[in-house]
Amino acid sequence: GAGVSQSPSNKVTEKGKDVELRCDPISGHTALYWYRQSLGQGLEFLIYFQGNSAPDKSGLPSDRFSAERTGGSVSTLTIQRTQQEDSAVYLCASSLEGNGYTFGSGTRLTVV
Amino acid sequence: GESVGLHLPTLSVQEGDNSIINCAYSNSASDYFIWYKQESGKGPQFIIDIRSNMDKRQGQRVTVLLNKTVKHLSLQIAATQPGDSAVYFCAERTGSSYKLIFGSGTRLLVRP
Repeated sequence: GAGVSQSPSNKVTEKGKDVELRCDPISGHTALYWYRQSLGQGLEFLIYFQGNSAPDKSGLPSDRFSAERTGGSVSTLTIQRTQQEDSAVYLCASSLEGNGYTFGSGTRLTVV
Repeated sequence: GESVGLHLPTLSVQEGDNSIINCAYSNSASDYFIWYKQESGKGPQFIIDIRSNMDKRQGQRVTVLLNKTVKHLSLQIAATQPGDSAVYFCAERTGSSYKLIFGSGTRLLVRP
């Protein structure tokens, strides 16, 4: 596609529920990244996929967070048993190797 | 949309003046740097990048300066316009990993 697409744009969920956030990267981009941005904060790295290599999961805050990237394209970030502190904007980005980093508009997650 | 960066340092400038936004990066081994602009409710937008073998790079109305000795990056915006009002982030990349690590951000307010 022309840009990085994320869905849904907004998600309100009850505490304890699981949520899935989707990212469609730019076609042909080999690398995909997830970041979290809490109100008033910078971008916190979560996880990074590059080609067929094992993902870099070093930024995931707990084992409730996981992500997959199927077929080297679409990625899903899953948060299990959501907590109020999970409320944030979740941003996805993609790049062609180390060039052309492009961000989506994010998913705003609110846990009530 | 919801504002980002409510607790970020703020730089207020008069329309038409030049703006300088500073960033201290963390890793002396970082070899690639990017400046991003983020408007409320949107994902970060690429402004300009620089590699560690350079100390200055110019774009349209923007200049990035890199001082590796003190691990400092700056973004200069010439003739600042109201449309430049946003939160600005620097990001660094280290070695063979393509993941970007972001600084804490600065809010730029342009007074008419």
